[in-house]
Amino acid sequence: SYDLTQPPSVSVFPGHTATITCSGDKLGDRYACWYQQKPGQSPVLVIYQGNKRPSGIPERFSGSSSGSTATLTISGTQTMDEADYHCQAWDSGNAVFGGGTKLTVL
Amino acid sequence: QVQLQESGPGLVKPSETLSLTCSVSGYSLTSGYYWGWIRQPPGKGLEWIGSIYHYGTTYYNPSLKSRVTISVDTSKNQFSLNLYSATAADTAVYYCARDLAVAGPRYFDLWGRGTLVTVSS
Repeated sequence: SYDLTQPPSVSVFPGHTATITCSGDKLGDRYACWYQQKPGQSPVLVIYQGNKRPSGIPERFSGSSSGSTATLTISGTQTMDEADYHCQAWDSGNAVFGGGTKLTVL
Repeated sequence: QVQLQESGPGLVKPSETLSLTCSVSGYSLTSGYYWGWIRQPPGKGLEWIGSIYHYGTTYYNPSLKSRVTISVDTSKNQFSLNLYSATAADTAVYYCARDLAVAGPRYFDLWGRGTLVTVSS
């Protein structure tokens, strides 16, 4: 089965850049998505098809990928960005999610 | 504005069938798109259960395929999940979501609020 690996936690100071990685076989060719999930809420799509932002998502959120790693970058992180972030990709028609990363804004 | 709302029992007995429905408003299921179910056990990550195309073609997580059926009722603008032979491991918040395919790989762009289903006697 196809697996996506994320770090369990990432910490960042307000105003600094947060980087969350997601690793999987040839993930760079699979155009990963990223979802933000705050406690008690449903996930919200923040990046799709690797590097595209849905309408309403702030420009500080960006996505990139290379080789086996997809990266979500939050520039100028705000306290409101504290949340769990989940990566997701497709493998042979099946959606696969990473384990999620808890972003703490210190 | 497209909205999705899950409904169904919050408590299911072990070995019984977990059944949920997702009601879609603001968009007709006959117009297209895929529609999916995703779940999240307490304190854990997201797990895709499966998706259905509006014509009725289904795609299931291989790890759940033997126990899952997803169906669509276009007359009610709803799609449903049946998970058979439920166990405590199926306790989770269940989300329905729009599974969008536009010029590239699909993604889940709209989600329901989720509903907690507990499997316990």
